[in-house]
Amino acid sequence: TQLLEQSPQFLSIQEGENLTVYCNSSSVFSSLQWYRQEPGEGPVLLVTVVTGGEVKKLKRLTFQFGDARKDSSLHITAAQTGDTGLYLCAGASPGTSGTYKYIFGTGTRLKVLA
Amino acid sequence: DTAVSQTPKYLVTQMGNDKSIKCEQNLGHDTMYWYKQDSKKFLKIMFSYNNKELIINETVPNRFSPKSPDKAHLNLHINSLELGDSAVYFCASRGSGGVVYEQYFGPGTRLTVT
Repeated sequence: TQLLEQSPQFLSIQEGENLTVYCNSSSVFSSLQWYRQEPGEGPVLLVTVVTGGEVKKLKRLTFQFGDARKDSSLHITAAQTGDTGLYLCAGASPGTSGTYKYIFGTGTRLKVLA
Repeated sequence: DTAVSQTPKYLVTQMGNDKSIKCEQNLGHDTMYWYKQDSKKFLKIMFSYNNKELIINETVPNRFSPKSPDKAHLNLHINSLELGDSAVYFCASRGSGGVVYEQYFGPGTRLTVT
């Protein structure tokens, strides 16, 4: 069974601080996605990383895919209150007919305090 | 325009009842999914359809039956509802054929079984 463990599970920090969220698995994935989910809404895709070792930057967010494509990290620089939310990683495995199956991580709840 | 829509947003019902949740996407995607998010915010795939064909059927009780009348719609019917079915159910859609295609989620349906 494929599992994605995220750490930390909860994180409460002051505005302006930096943080890193980790997503680890023993399975290899074709790609890994990061989502942010706000209360009462569906997850919204932040980024997709595909190549082992790939680093992508989205403003203050930096995403890295592990060399072996089994793990990933999300680093936020100078966190803002608007970054508050549930962060989910999801690993994609190929299925039939060109489709993909997604295994979601256990989630990290981030709260950024003003 | 809403990309992926679900109805109803909230559903409160009693044990033993039968209920349906509807999902529609206007993105022209071939693949649609149903996910269940439990009280701990863990998101787990239930079903996936590609071009109206069921391609992923995780270990889900037979009381859950998805139906896809066309590529743009994927409905979920639940028979004999149980307390443990209480959760938020998300529909998602995705284009097929490439690993980097995005998965778009609906706003979710919060099901409460009393």
